[in-house]
Order: sequence, then structure tokens, then C-alpha cells
Amino acid sequence: DTGVSQDPRHKITKRGQNVTFRCDPISEHNRLYWYRQTLGQGPEFLTYFQNEAQLEKSRLLSDRFSAERPKGSFSTLEIQRTEQGDSAMYLCASSPGTRGETQYFGPGTRLLVL
Amino acid sequence: DAKTTQPTSMDCAEGRAANLPCNHSTISGNEYVYWYRQIHSQGPQYIIHGLKNNETNEMASLIITEDRKSSTLILPHATLRDTAVYYCIVRVDYGQNFVFGPGTRLSVLP
Repeated sequence: DTGVSQDPRHKITKRGQNVTFRCDPISEHNRLYWYRQTLGQGPEFLTYFQNEAQLEKSRLLSDRFSAERPKGSFSTLEIQRTEQGDSAMYLCASSPGTRGETQYFGPGTRLLVL
Repeated sequence: DAKTTQPTSMDCAEGRAANLPCNHSTISGNEYVYWYRQIHSQGPQYIIHGLKNNETNEMASLIITEDRKSSTLILPHATLRDTAVYYCIVRVDYGQNFVFGPGTRLSVLP
């Protein structure tokens, strides 16, 4: 059983650099979600896709953030011109899109901006 | 904002039942109660969810009060590996993100 995978697991970058994270959802899950989690807090929603369509974006998703899911399978989250405040765990989740659905989370990508 | 309130932390002795409460007094008729847990530095792990009836699976039991304003997650025989932050979330049927609160930090003690 292949769960949600994320790559890389850890990323250290300097302020001002661009970073890109990848999420591979569970096969045949048509919904994919991105969350951000800072230390001591619960995850916060960023955006979600139904197949390749990005249907909802949080106010947390500033214009430096962009997410794509070009073929309705894997997704990427890019942060441009990183700031120290972007340091967090970035979590991806997928769900089958059926009634009473459950979201299954990946292990996360931990970003540290120096 | 999270629609649930949970105690900040709880302790439980190893081998005993862990009962984690959650208040969701403003829950709507079409909102499910979900429980997830997060072990340090890992992604949240799904435990169980329910609408009105009590639910049980291999991990836990979920007891929802008749008025649906509160629920309890029961880990019947807690082990040290159950030490984690437990999140109670209410959400409509599908197509929406989860709104996580701070959760309950459960410490299972030997």
C-alpha cells in the first residue's frame, strides 16, 4: 500500500531563494491538499485541487506561493523569494473524493530558511 | 477558526484506556467528527471518524453524544507509541479542508 509521498523531506535554503516541493498522492485519489504547520501549531490549510483544477486557496497563500497539479496526479508547491517566516513543515494530503472522505497525509517537507 | 475545544494535555498509564474528550457544541447536522494524531515530526495520521453513531476500528473507538455536541476518542490499551498530539476536527461531508486546532498532547507513561 503506497501512501502519500513528499520530496524532499528536508530543505535548507537562504532567504531570497526559490524552493519547490513535490507531492505524490495515493493512486487514484482525485483530491490533493497542501497544508503548512509551524512549531507547536496544528496544520493550516493552504490550497486544494480536484484533479488538475485548483479549487480553493487560503489567504495564507501569498503571491510568492504557487501550486500546480498539471496532470491531476502529482503536485508541486513553489515558494519564490523565501523569507524566514516561511520556515515550517509543508504537508500534503490526498483523498478519494467520495462521501465522508478521509484525507491521508504525507510525511511532510520541513523547510528552514536562513 | 477551529470549531472544537480539547484539553491541552493529558497523561495516561501504559496499558490503560486513554479517553480524549472533544467539545463541538456548534456542530451542524451534516458535519462529521474526525480524529487524527500526529507523532513528533510526522504527518497527521487518520484514526477514525463518525457522524452520529459510535464507531470502532482497529485503532480506537469514537463515542458521540446523542446531541452531538461532544465526543470522546478511546484508545482501549494505550502503549508508549500512542504518545502524540491528537486532533479532533469537525467538517462537512467532503470537498473542504480540515481546520486543525492545537489538539491534545497525550503522554503515555510507563
